[in-house]
Amino acid sequence: DTAVSQTPKYLVTQMGNDKSIKCEQNLGHDTMYWYKQDSKKFLKIMFSYNNKELIINETVPNRFSPKSPDKAHLNLHINSLELGDSAVYFCASSSRSFPGSRAFFGQGTRLTVV
Amino acid sequence: SQQGEEDPQALSIQEGENATMNCSYKTSINNLQWYRQNSGRGLVHLILIRSNEREKHSGRLRVTLDTSKKSSSLLITASRAADTASYFCATDARETSGSRLTFGEGTQLTVNP
Repeated sequence: DTAVSQTPKYLVTQMGNDKSIKCEQNLGHDTMYWYKQDSKKFLKIMFSYNNKELIINETVPNRFSPKSPDKAHLNLHINSLELGDSAVYFCASSSRSFPGSRAFFGQGTRLTVV
Repeated sequence: SQQGEEDPQALSIQEGENATMNCSYKTSINNLQWYRQNSGRGLVHLILIRSNEREKHSGRLRVTLDTSKKSSSLLITASRAADTASYFCATDARETSGSRLTFGEGTQLTVNP
């Protein structure tokens, strides 16, 4: 009964490959996010979806493509992986319809590109 | 511009002591939140303070907010070894494009037994 779950937890892959990270939330939230945490632990928002609609798209290479099949899922597909993509990627969700609500985070996916 | 810059970047104290972490931000906010991250884990929400509040308590946590100085502090009283973690402040500046949480760089707290 995990609130926000991501898979896989670890992902090691070679440069140039394409990979996906999946995220699911069972909280009934209407907004989901992807954050990237670099080696210095800095967390930067990448994307935000509200009711399956993209509402925030930060300056992220277009090799990163989020997909939200429904309100409970937000997947992240990455094409042509580069060394600099190595980081921990966090999915999160919140309720936009409830002002000032907290965000719930998944456990993270540690991506290592070799 | 980056929101939520914390200081200190690292803090090491003895069990039983209090730990104070500070956060500064640059733009107007709706609320400010503090999160905790244990090594190798996701972020866990600790406490939220709204822009019209000045102080809030939750157990051993005390948060203050000074919107005139655009700063907040998190105080953990009577610290325990289990409090060892990274602590992040996050500002919620609701925009027309949707709310987002902007995180600071975090403070690494080590509580020595």
